[in-house]
Amino acid sequence: NAGVTQTPKFQVLKTGQSMTLQCAQDMNHEYMSWYRQDPGMGLRLIHYSVGAGITDQGEVPNGYNVSRSTTEDFPLRLLSAAPSQTSVYFCASRGIAKNIQYFGAGTRLSVL
Amino acid sequence: GEDVEQSLFLSVREGDSSVINCTYTDSSSTYLYWYKQEPGAGLQLLTYIFSNMDMKQDQRLTVLLNKKDKHLSLRIADTQTGDSAIYFCAEIGTGTASKLTFGTGTRLQVTL
Repeated sequence: NAGVTQTPKFQVLKTGQSMTLQCAQDMNHEYMSWYRQDPGMGLRLIHYSVGAGITDQGEVPNGYNVSRSTTEDFPLRLLSAAPSQTSVYFCASRGIAKNIQYFGAGTRLSVL
Repeated sequence: GEDVEQSLFLSVREGDSSVINCTYTDSSSTYLYWYKQEPGAGLQLLTYIFSNMDMKQDQRLTVLLNKKDKHLSLRIADTQTGDSAIYFCAEIGTGTASKLTFGTGTRLQVTL
């Protein structure tokens, strides 16, 4: 039972570098999303997808891109990392029929 | 947009009951959730309640929902040191693309 798998668990970047945070789920869930968690601000939605080929912006999309070429994978791309993107990133998925959202273990990102 | 609010901190003695409160603004909320986050970990779904219910009990956990006042609470009976964590309230509206909106989280500290 893998559930939602995120890689890497930790990452340190320099300002201006790019990278992709990986997210995969094996529950055949239609809905996947990315959140960032910052102290005192809870979780804020970055991007989400309701199915393969469909993505949309959340609350804080600037500086991030996503794509959904398969049901299982939903990578998050940072095109040019900035210190303001230092955060903990969580990927989540849920089925359309049942409103239970499952979370990955998180990726802790530091941008220097 | 939708808003979910929680107090930031709660301290209780071991063995006492804890009550964590949450208010929300979305009148079309269908499900409301409580997630637990232990230090350095992801979010674990503790319990959830459908909007047409006013109470749900699961072992030491009791969820109360006052839909008229848009108020949700989580009561933990016989609080233990292992209950120390951040507790997030979240809600979801209607529709397949509905997004989960989180509160800022309440840090529960259990003292001996």
